[in-house]
Amino acid sequence: SQTIHQWPATLVQPVGSPLSLECTVEGTSNPNLYWYRQAAGRGLQLLFYSVGIGQISSEVPQNLSASRPQDRQFILSSKKLLLSDSGFYLCAWSVRGVGGNSPLHFGNGTRLTVT
Amino acid sequence: QKEVEQDPGPLSVPEGAIVSLNCTYSNSAFQYFMWYRQYSRKGPELLMYTYSSGNKEDGRFTAQVDKSSKYISLFIRDSQPSDSATYLCAMSVYNQGGKLIFGQGTELSVKP
Repeated sequence: SQTIHQWPATLVQPVGSPLSLECTVEGTSNPNLYWYRQAAGRGLQLLFYSVGIGQISSEVPQNLSASRPQDRQFILSSKKLLLSDSGFYLCAWSVRGVGGNSPLHFGNGTRLTVT
Repeated sequence: QKEVEQDPGPLSVPEGAIVSLNCTYSNSAFQYFMWYRQYSRKGPELLMYTYSSGNKEDGRFTAQVDKSSKYISLFIRDSQPSDSATYLCAMSVYNQGGKLIFGQGTELSVKP
């Protein structure tokens, strides 16, 4: 069966510090990978998605970036955090296919507080 | 107007009640509809996935889609305290898998 791991679960960082969140998927090959952010009381917002190694699409312009160095590894980064970057960051994967859709499967997230 | 509207609640019901959760949407291109359950401090868990109008049943859960009215629902029968969570509707356009548009989520509390 497929599993998705995210770490760390909780993170407190000062404004202006760098960020690196990591996500790995097991039990599947060539997945689509996604980073979502969930702000308190709001729905999920898609930040980045990737259909393959080195292929990143950004949905929201901001001071965050994403990278996919390996097929099942997805990293979310920032050089300098802002207070507004606080939130619950969720990594997700879906089956990559030709046409059609497959639902997303989420990890348990990283709760980031920028102080 | 948001693409997807969902009543944020909170919704409180007694154990055993039938729960109805609803979302409306404005984009007629949406073809895939999902319901997720999210427990506190956890990631969303996929409950139901459907791409056609009508009903889809899975145990105590029934997902209903009415594309003509741009309205989807999730019904929970015989609700249990373990159903207490936030429920998120989500939808997407054909061949844009993963680029889901989510509702705000409805917080549900089932009281014993």
